[in-house]
Amino acid sequence: GAVVSQHPSRVICKSGTSVKIECRSLDFQATTMFWYRQFPKQSLMLMATSNEGSKATYEQGVEKDKFLINHASLTLSTLTVTSAHPEDSSFYICSARDSQGAPEQFFGPGTRLTVL
Amino acid sequence: AQSVSQHNHHVILSEAASLELGCNYSYGGTVNLFWYVQYPGQHLQLLLKYFSGDPLVKGIKGFEAEFIKSKFSFNLRKPSVQWSDTAEYFCAVTGSGGYQKVTFGTGTKLQVIP
Repeated sequence: GAVVSQHPSRVICKSGTSVKIECRSLDFQATTMFWYRQFPKQSLMLMATSNEGSKATYEQGVEKDKFLINHASLTLSTLTVTSAHPEDSSFYICSARDSQGAPEQFFGPGTRLTVL
Repeated sequence: AQSVSQHNHHVILSEAASLELGCNYSYGGTVNLFWYVQYPGQHLQLLLKYFSGDPLVKGIKGFEAEFIKSKFSFNLRKPSVQWSDTAEYFCAVTGSGGYQKVTFGTGTKLQVIP
């Protein structure tokens, strides 16, 4: 089956630093990847849609300058949380759609970000 | 705008009990519907999906869901739950065609007591 990986799985950083999270589709090509944020005991909130070779589309209320998304290849999208603050602490999950396949999303295992 | 509502936030069942989790959606067009499961400490996994055709969809691990268009519902069912079904279940909807975003419900936490 389709596999999506994320790296790192867990990261702790100091306030004010930047953190990069990678999302890779391991056995398929994904022209579109999605970044979600999951707060404790809540559902996934879509942050942005990442399109290979073009600018990401951000959901309302998500700061594009704070959450930088780069989708440089058909198998890799990165999310950089810039100047992180404690309120950015969360579980970040990416998903990818197989460019050749059905319209379902395959999810990565998530990255737990803790900002001190 | 599309939306998904899951009526039950926390469900507690004994093993062998039957399960039905409600899901209603709002969308002005043809939809694709999904149920995802998140086991403790693990990532989201697809349980089942509906794109078109038979409205009764069978998924993995004995789960099934029925799409009732007139009720805008896609309820998840399992005749006899097991302790290993303890997890959080998310209903999701997307418009059909193209790379449309997926909207998730708030999730239902299922706890199965041995």
